[in-house]
Amino acid sequence: GAVVSQHPSRVICKSGTSVKIECRSLDFQATTMFWYRQFPKKSLMLMATSNEGSKATYEQGVEKDKFLINHASLTLSTLTVTSAHPEDSSFYICSAMRQLSPYEQYFGPGTRLTVT
Amino acid sequence: DAKTTQPTSMDCAEGRAANLPCNHSTISGNEYVYWYRQIHSQGPQYIIHGLKNNETNEMASLIITEDRKSSTLILPHATLRDTAVYYCIVRRSGGGSNYKLTFGKGTLLTVNP
Repeated sequence: GAVVSQHPSRVICKSGTSVKIECRSLDFQATTMFWYRQFPKKSLMLMATSNEGSKATYEQGVEKDKFLINHASLTLSTLTVTSAHPEDSSFYICSAMRQLSPYEQYFGPGTRLTVT
Repeated sequence: DAKTTQPTSMDCAEGRAANLPCNHSTISGNEYVYWYRQIHSQGPQYIIHGLKNNETNEMASLIITEDRKSSTLILPHATLRDTAVYYCIVRRSGGGSNYKLTFGKGTLLTVNP
């Protein structure tokens, strides 16, 4: 299957700082990527849809000014958690969608964010 | 997108077939059934998807009932590495931002030695 990478895999930051997470589709172009977060023992919750060359679409209840998304190329989307707080500690996962049939989504390995 | 119902957990003996059920009684005619799995602390992995015909690939088989209101994912010879949470999701096929996946709680499959 296709490969999607995320960087970093783990990050620890202090409260009030910002953290950037990268999501790359390594062997296909993705005009659409998705960002999810997952709390312990919970399912994945979609945060936003990242569209190459346009503004991201955020799910209800997700603050767009706190979770900045940039999708500047067909293979890279970034999520920046601004002014992080301990409650932002979570597992962040991205996915990239193939633009050709059968339109599968391929997921990255996830980024574990811990805010102290 | 239609919602799905899956058992919370299942157990299976190593080497035996694992049959994971999913109910999707409100599925629409243009919605596909997708299966993903998530091994602990990893990103989800695509397994298989189908519309109305049964499907098989190197990982699993998908059996969809004739009325499309339920389906079963079959792992023919489960191994310990198949222990994971399995998600059944219905979604319209196609690209673009309208075709997002909505994850439910899934089924925790535990394969025992």
